[in-house]
Amino acid sequence: ETGVTQTPRHLVMGMTNKKSLKCEQHLGHNAMYWYKQSAKKPLELMFVYSLEERVENNSVPSRFSPECPNSSHLFLHLHTLQPEDSALYLCASSQDRGRPNEKLFFGSGTQLSVL
Amino acid sequence: AQTVTQSQPEMSVQEAETVTLSCTYDTSESDYYLFWYKQPPSRQMILVIRQEAYKQQNATENRFSVNFQKAAKSFSLKISDSQLGDAAMYFCAYRAFWNSGGSNYKLTFGKGTLLTVNP
Repeated sequence: ETGVTQTPRHLVMGMTNKKSLKCEQHLGHNAMYWYKQSAKKPLELMFVYSLEERVENNSVPSRFSPECPNSSHLFLHLHTLQPEDSALYLCASSQDRGRPNEKLFFGSGTQLSVL
Repeated sequence: AQTVTQSQPEMSVQEAETVTLSCTYDTSESDYYLFWYKQPPSRQMILVIRQEAYKQQNATENRFSVNFQKAAKSFSLKISDSQLGDAAMYFCAYRAFWNSGGSNYKLTFGKGTLLTVNP
């Protein structure tokens, strides 16, 4: 049990499709994150989310939209994606997002392929 | 801009031997934290060790230790008595305040080093 569960594990979609990635954390944390992991690139922070506030990375295209209905669940809604959006999408959670030594707990990711 | 550089895309080590993974970072901040994360084939990122920049003493966690050189902005990871289960992608990361308008700390990752452990 990792504490952070992501579904689906793999996803193949066309550029005109709409799909959603789901993340659930069972750790009682207050903050959740979406990261994008592309081959040979550093992990990119996409969104930080809590009930109180959503912090959006300025470089994230609008075809990605997060949703956090409660502190345990986080979604990433995808629409009209591009092939360059193919990557591993990692969800993470932490007790709080305001402490510098915060330990992040990651899920196993969704491997997304956009055709 | 904060950057993290891992100059070794791949490393290999014999089982039971010691290996050191390199990491350098660039920052103008004085208060920050450094981390090493491990990503095995299961893809889940796991925290290996963390270091507070204000502490001079190097962090250790069992077989894992760091060599933190603040002036040189260097943060290397040493794995002693390497085991087959240590084979993974290792990411160095840096966390400092991120002026997003709220209380936020951003975690910046390097590109990773793929460690192979040979039996």
